[in-house]
Amino acid sequence: RKEVEQDPGPFNVPEGATVAFNCTYSNSASQSFFWYRQDCRKEPKLLMSVYSSGNEDGRFTAQLNRASQYISLLIRDSKLSDSATYLCVLRGSTLGRLYFGRGTQLTVWP
Amino acid sequence: NAGVTQTPKFQVLKTGQSMTLQCAQDMNHNSMYWYRQDPGMGLRLIYYSASEGTTDKGEVPNGYNVSRLNKREFSLRLESAAPSQTSVYFCASRSQGVNSPLHFGNGTRLTVT
Repeated sequence: RKEVEQDPGPFNVPEGATVAFNCTYSNSASQSFFWYRQDCRKEPKLLMSVYSSGNEDGRFTAQLNRASQYISLLIRDSKLSDSATYLCVLRGSTLGRLYFGRGTQLTVWP
Repeated sequence: NAGVTQTPKFQVLKTGQSMTLQCAQDMNHNSMYWYRQDPGMGLRLIYYSASEGTTDKGEVPNGYNVSRLNKREFSLRLESAAPSQTSVYFCASRSQGVNSPLHFGNGTRLTVT
């Protein structure tokens, strides 16, 4: 079983929509969690870290559910500029290795 | 503040040729990484260096070697390039904190013909 599983999408939503992505992980000892954004042919960039209590940054809300071993990203009021691939990343307990999901592709249309 | 700098941005090699991808970071990070990204495969770890003087294999190390020259620099070498190594290569670094994120370079697009 892969360390991180992510629905690849694609998700196609109109501007203003709310969209949510989930990412499941297999190792209950995973220590820290992140969402990255990657634009076409660019490097991944940190969108936000995911804290145990959940956290929000503007239109973006990240949540962690340790019991069910998943993290989620909610985007409210989608903008055209949100179109990108969203990667979930977790840090394992062994040597601090980082594991990447394959990414979820989001397209926001006008 | 340049962050993570990778060179070159693009490279075309013939099968059997060798080359070195360079990576440098100016954030005083201890850990550095090399990933490759292929369509449908996501990011896969080639090698990493947890600290200056140490290197370890990742998921897909075959056909590659690395050198952690000093704290700033971590290079990736292809001794005899193969078409299967056509990919986008990303270097990344992070500090030691549990919650510290990765910072990526701009990537190197390598084509092996």
